[in-house]
Amino acid sequence: GNSVTQMEGPVTLSEEAFLTINCTYTATGYPSLFWYVQYPGEGLQLLLKATKADDKGSNKGFEATYRKETTSFHLEKGSVQVSDSAVYFCALRGSGNTGKLIFGQGTTLQVKP
Amino acid sequence: GAVVSQHPSRVICKSGTSVKIECRSLDFQATTMFWYRQFPKQSLMLMATSNEGSKATYEQGVEKDKFLINHASLTLSTLTVTSAHPEDSSFYICSASSGLGGRPNIQYFGAGTRLSVL
Repeated sequence: GNSVTQMEGPVTLSEEAFLTINCTYTATGYPSLFWYVQYPGEGLQLLLKATKADDKGSNKGFEATYRKETTSFHLEKGSVQVSDSAVYFCALRGSGNTGKLIFGQGTTLQVKP
Repeated sequence: GAVVSQHPSRVICKSGTSVKIECRSLDFQATTMFWYRQFPKQSLMLMATSNEGSKATYEQGVEKDKFLINHASLTLSTLTVTSAHPEDSSFYICSASSGLGGRPNIQYFGAGTRLSVL
């Protein structure tokens, strides 16, 4: 079945450091891929998405590229801020388009001043 | 962006009582709503999918008589945890998806409900 694997956290960085959070997936067909962010005490918010191979999703300085050859959707940001501290979830929606999302286990990011 | 309101944000109850959690889409019609459960430091696990006016589809291993889902309108879905026990203590999150006015097939999430059963 479909699955998503993220790198384990927590990831601790200093402000302005480069961020990479790895995400790989297993799926049949052509899934859509998502990154969601959960700030403390809040619900999940869609950060970015990509719906086909080689698409790059981007938002708020974050980027992720849909790599079918490596089945990956790694999240990157060139310069993190303290306000980026949150839990980041990689997710996929299967090509059957039932709307169901399969989530990775989440990666906690802590950015220190 | 689209807003989903979930209420209550936190509830503490005694073992054996039932608890109802509401999920409302405030500015769009949610044709589909999803209920998730999140354990500490773990991912979201889909419990069930509900479409307005029809019975919910439960994921394998989720007791439908334990977790009653009602999606009576295009803006409201409720999850009732019946006869709650301490092992039901968890963080419950709803999401709503619209193929109409909102961005199609994007799930918008509520802020979650922390349930503690004593």
